[in-house]
Amino acid sequence: DAGVTQSPTHLIKTRGQQVTLRCSPISGHKSVSWYQQVLGQGPQFIFQYYEKEERGRGNFPDRFSARQFPNYSSELNVNALLLGDSALYLCASSFRLADEQYFGPGTRLTVT
Amino acid sequence: AQSVTQLDSQVPVFEEAPVELRCNYSSSVSVYLFWYVQYPNQGLQLLLKYLSGSTLVKGINGFEAEFNKSQTSFHLRKPSVHISDTAEYFCAVSESNFGNEKLTFGTGTRLTIIP
Repeated sequence: DAGVTQSPTHLIKTRGQQVTLRCSPISGHKSVSWYQQVLGQGPQFIFQYYEKEERGRGNFPDRFSARQFPNYSSELNVNALLLGDSALYLCASSFRLADEQYFGPGTRLTVT
Repeated sequence: AQSVTQLDSQVPVFEEAPVELRCNYSSSVSVYLFWYVQYPNQGLQLLLKYLSGSTLVKGINGFEAEFNKSQTSFHLRKPSVHISDTAEYFCAVSESNFGNEKLTFGTGTRLTIIP
């Protein structure tokens, strides 16, 4: 079975631009979470969605937004990019809210 | 609010020697505890988890961890390491209140195996 997939793998953007990252969960999984991992640090929670509803939000500015589609895939949008947004963005899926989270390989975003 | 402290940022260990990676957590409610491994340029892979029950948890690749509620610790151990264990290890905590299962991660411990 396919694991969590994310696209694109790498991305280079300029300050002030907008970016959309995509995540497809494991088939049958209804919960998707997003994490930001800055180089040298642990992942930080951004959002969690379950059954297309936002169930949790981390301490990130309103420039960050996300949504989950009827097929349970998800998009993370970041507006007005800053240099500090450069990071590995990880998506994780689980069957239900209380289940083990499976992580994708991540999208490496570089803001110049 | 929950938090996780990984006391060692880097741990060098000779091949076939034992290793312990330390993790302490802080939370005002009951928690679930996890250890993840991250190989270079890859996502996170779950090594083991503690949800309830026995405080000694066995995971993949020969790793185990012990939950100590009084010391709020969840240290990861392996009796004999291999070169392939070279990776970054993250301890994480989730508060066990249904509805928001966000993981709070530590800053990671880089395990380097010396041949």
